[in-house]
Amino acid sequence: EAQVTQNPRYLITVTGKKLTVTCSQNMNHEYMSWYRQDPGLGLRQIYYSMNVEVTDKGDVPEGYKVSRKEKRNFPLILESPSPNQTSLYFCASSLQRFSYNEQFFGPGTRLTVL
Amino acid sequence: GQQVMQIPQYQHVQEGEDFTTYCNSSTTLSNIQWYKQRPGGHPVFLIQLVKSGEVKKQKRLTFQFGEAKKNSSLHITATQTTDVGTYFCQNDMRFGAGTRLTVKP
Repeated sequence: EAQVTQNPRYLITVTGKKLTVTCSQNMNHEYMSWYRQDPGLGLRQIYYSMNVEVTDKGDVPEGYKVSRKEKRNFPLILESPSPNQTSLYFCASSLQRFSYNEQFFGPGTRLTVL
Repeated sequence: GQQVMQIPQYQHVQEGEDFTTYCNSSTTLSNIQWYKQRPGGHPVFLIQLVKSGEVKKQKRLTFQFGEAKKNSSLHITATQTTDVGTYFCQNDMRFGAGTRLTVKP
């Protein structure tokens, strides 16, 4: 089944404790991205990757890191989480960024930083 | 990518009423996509519009792309409770703020 998986689905942590949210897709998509969703703000892009070893900042990259060592995986790293990073996070993938760019989303990770 | 502005933020309708959400941009858009997110779920792709003046239909849903390619709309005819959720437009991987639709049976 074609899908995007994220782990964990739920996470409660404390300020400053490094964490990683994993994302994996099995569709051989080149483009992957991370979004955070906050009430009234819609989905805001954090980072994206056009292909392996190619990553770039989205609209709200501060406090986050990513890597793309393999095509299928795109982990999101919070080196020192803060309470303002409490949010719902979605990973998404698509065949390419341009042309037909239907995005497939993972189920989401709800993060709470105390 | 261009920022798209989406209105209204919320819409509450009686089942059977129509619903429309709008996306607007100050600049010309190359294309626009629409997504639906059910409560507690993740965004799911509905459709992509590319051509000026394009109109596409999916059952009770009608999607339009403006002649100037600066605006788009999603119209639902005779809403049902299954239509509940938040509808987002997207351009170049950037999303509008979404319109949350609730339907009273």
